[in-house]
Amino acid sequence: NAGVTQTPKFRVLKTGQSMTLLCAQDMNHEYMYWYRQDPGMGLRLIHYSVGEGTTAKGEVPDGYNVSRLKKQNFLLGLESAAPSQTSVYFCASRDWYIGSEYEQYFGPGTRLTVT
Amino acid sequence: EDQVTQSPEALRLQEGESSSLNCSYTVSGLRGLFWYRQDPGKGPEFLFTLYSAGEEKEKERLKATLTKKESFLHITAPKPEDSATYLCAVQVGSSNTGKLIFGQGTTLQVKP
Repeated sequence: NAGVTQTPKFRVLKTGQSMTLLCAQDMNHEYMYWYRQDPGMGLRLIHYSVGEGTTAKGEVPDGYNVSRLKKQNFLLGLESAAPSQTSVYFCASRDWYIGSEYEQYFGPGTRLTVT
Repeated sequence: EDQVTQSPEALRLQEGESSSLNCSYTVSGLRGLFWYRQDPGKGPEFLFTLYSAGEEKEKERLKATLTKKESFLHITAPKPEDSATYLCAVQVGSSNTGKLIFGQGTTLQVKP
């Protein structure tokens, strides 16, 4: 199993450009998450999904959109990139069973720079 | 407001010098406390889950404990390969969304 994979690994954008980050998992997990990690801020939740076709806002959703058309994929979009979106983005997935709290599995990250 | 604070921010140890990392939390309705390890340039890697006060879990040189207000990650006789950032996260809330609130992390450096 590849686990959680993210594409691309690095990207440089100019202000106003758009892009989509792709997250894929091969563990048949129901739940998927997008985080951003900034120095001194820890990991902050952007959006998440509790199943195919569902999405919900996290702690810092402004400027981002997401889609979960297939269970194994979770896409994060930036419609008009801003320098404040320079960060490292992590995707994670998690299994689900009623009454249980499973750990999240993280991808390797995408380093995005917006100039 | 739910909050997670880790201390210290950075810790330098000599190989073999045992110590502890702290994770204090103020949350309503703890559903689980998670410890992760993160190496530079990589994603967080799961270490432990703790559910209730008094619970302890061990893995090699690491031991995690939980009280009603904080968790400790004890590192016994650390080796240079234990150098990493250790992240603490709590899962809260009544709905089963699995959302986590992370602390800022403690960066551990173990010198040979």
